[in-house]
Amino acid sequence: ETGVTQTPRHLVMGMTNKKSLKCEQHLGHNAMYWYKQSAKKPLELMFVYNFKEQTENNSVPSRFSPECPNSSHLFLHLHTLQPEDSALYLCASSPGTGGVRYEQYFGPGTRLTVT
Amino acid sequence: GESVGLHLPTLSVQEGDNSIINCAYSNSASDYFIWYKQESGKGPQFIIDIRSNMDKRQGQRVTVLLNKTVKHLSLQIAATQPGDSAVYFCAEVRNSGNTPLVFGKGTRLSVIA
Repeated sequence: ETGVTQTPRHLVMGMTNKKSLKCEQHLGHNAMYWYKQSAKKPLELMFVYNFKEQTENNSVPSRFSPECPNSSHLFLHLHTLQPEDSALYLCASSPGTGGVRYEQYFGPGTRLTVT
Repeated sequence: GESVGLHLPTLSVQEGDNSIINCAYSNSASDYFIWYKQESGKGPQFIIDIRSNMDKRQGQRVTVLLNKTVKHLSLQIAATQPGDSAVYFCAEVRNSGNTPLVFGKGTRLSVIA
């Protein structure tokens, strides 16, 4: 629908597991983002990649590790997560990262539950 | 559906009436603002944007008003329909600092048929 797809849509993992979230955009955009959306806080920006280079890391714990192999794909590698990491993880892309090029297109999200 | 926030401000509107959703922003240096709509089970979707050199912008059934003096944005939806039921977020674009796009907490709009 929006040109941004995310897999899986739902994920349940134990605290000792390692898993990865995948995002792909078909819009020809140059910037991609990971957000966390939880019940108690507004959308939290986690990481920003512009032309495959990470430009923002908003004090995210190291148990979250992003990877951007090209401008169309973005991964979020997860390991030794905590129950408070349970949330909806949203991927977004935008043409660029300045001014009006900041219109972001979001994927449907991955609902993560850490047990 | 997805939980996008506990204790969100909620607006209930009769179908066919107009809706007004408000948002206060904090950074007077923000120069671009966006409204997003998030339906249950989906990611946020772009609705309309406005630059800081404008005070009003109209789209299809939606109007955004910007009052820079009091740092306030509003989204007006004309003839609200059941499909408008969703959580609405405003976002401000800051050209400095570590977080270039800052989202508000959101308002849940419920349309009563």
